[in-house]
Amino acid sequence: AQSVTQLDSQVPVFEEAPVELRCNYSSSVSVYLFWYVQYPNQGLQLLLKYLSGSTLVKGINGFEAEFNKSQTSFHLRKPSVHISDTAEYFCAVSELGGNKLVFGAGTILRVKS
Amino acid sequence: GAGVSQTPSNKVTEKGKYVELRCDPISGHTALYWYRQSLGQGPEFLIYFQGTGAADDSGLPNDRFFAVRPEGSVSTLKIQRTERGDSAVYLCASSHQGTGTSVDTQYFGPGTRLTVL
Repeated sequence: AQSVTQLDSQVPVFEEAPVELRCNYSSSVSVYLFWYVQYPNQGLQLLLKYLSGSTLVKGINGFEAEFNKSQTSFHLRKPSVHISDTAEYFCAVSELGGNKLVFGAGTILRVKS
Repeated sequence: GAGVSQTPSNKVTEKGKYVELRCDPISGHTALYWYRQSLGQGPEFLIYFQGTGAADDSGLPNDRFFAVRPEGSVSTLKIQRTERGDSAVYLCASSHQGTGTSVDTQYFGPGTRLTVL
């Protein structure tokens, strides 16, 4: 079985500052890794995913994440945030050959002007 | 094109009643998933359909929960004898293929907020 831990429930940050949202996972098998974003009153939207290959993955809206197998982490980063990035971000895993996603509890990113 | 749609957007019911939640996946997507998101939590997997059949229903919490997808498109999640603990947002997602070796992106609907009084 897999599990996902998002270490911060809320992250406040000023506009144009860098941000890192932390995600650690636990699994006895190889996994795929995902970050989803949920804007207010909208459905979950895929930001980026790691399947294999380069450990640095670039996604939409200037976000990127780095897979670290030894630390079982997949932290999300953005060098300069905007007010419009205010949303809830979910890290998720699925096992290779599996279908269901296992999500973390989410991190609310609040960007302040 | 149209995304995943879910109806109703909100449903308020009384304890003990029966409810049905509907999901319309993206046209042509053969895989369909149901998740439940309780307050302050991430989505939790309930059931996965490949075509008309439930390929994995390991997430259904008990036998009060049941889902169908009779024609391989629209799906209905059915909850019998609702309890207050069933209150949550029920999310539906679809993906193009969803086979065991696939990493197709799951596209989520906006969810149905169920409140059991």
